[in-house]
Amino acid sequence: QAQLVQSGSEVREPGASVKVSCKAFGYPFTGYYIHWVRQAPGRGLEWMGWINPKNGATKYAQKFEGRVSMTGDTSLATAYMELSSLNSEDTAFYYCAPERGRLGFDPWGQGTLVTVSS
Amino acid sequence: QAVVTQEPSLTVSPGGTVTLTCASSTGSVTTGHSPYWFQQKAGQAPTTVIYDTNGRPAGTPARFSGSLLGGKAALILSGAQPDDEGDYYCLLSYSGVRVFGGGTKLTVL
Repeated sequence: QAQLVQSGSEVREPGASVKVSCKAFGYPFTGYYIHWVRQAPGRGLEWMGWINPKNGATKYAQKFEGRVSMTGDTSLATAYMELSSLNSEDTAFYYCAPERGRLGFDPWGQGTLVTVSS
Repeated sequence: QAVVTQEPSLTVSPGGTVTLTCASSTGSVTTGHSPYWFQQKAGQAPTTVIYDTNGRPAGTPARFSGSLLGGKAALILSGAQPDDEGDYYCLLSYSGVRVFGGGTKLTVL
């Protein structure tokens, strides 16, 4: 059964960076784009970008250009999302999910809470 | 960047029918925007309800359907169940860049 397991919660000070991992199980890691989505507490979903794990191609939301980097390690079947120059508005749950055709975005990782606080 | 607009909240009676819509600031929504619909319940990750305008993943009940209506993407729920309560988000594609709508809080009451 397909599953994505994300790294644990993180606390960072303003101005710092954070790197979240997303390990895939049970499906071909290089077969599907992986999207990153975040959700601030009590707010809606926000699309951040995707990575093609097969060749490392990426596309980011304009809002995050220059501040986000999405990478993948095919040997570990793991995707990474690094966000820099953090501020309090970056406090959110960060999710990863592969886009798998007739399955849609499935499965989703369990979410990683990133808290930005001094 | 485009702005995607949804109804902030809707209420439907059990067994009733409700239509959620998803509009784009750039004009009419088409199949080229590959509309997705997601359901999210409190404290849980989202799940896909509809993909590519009207595709229904295996786990989505048949009472959910997707279409294009009046220049918008639409999610139609026919025969609402209490378990259908939650937040619903649409997602549109703009040449590969995706944008979520603000979400619709659906109450079954």
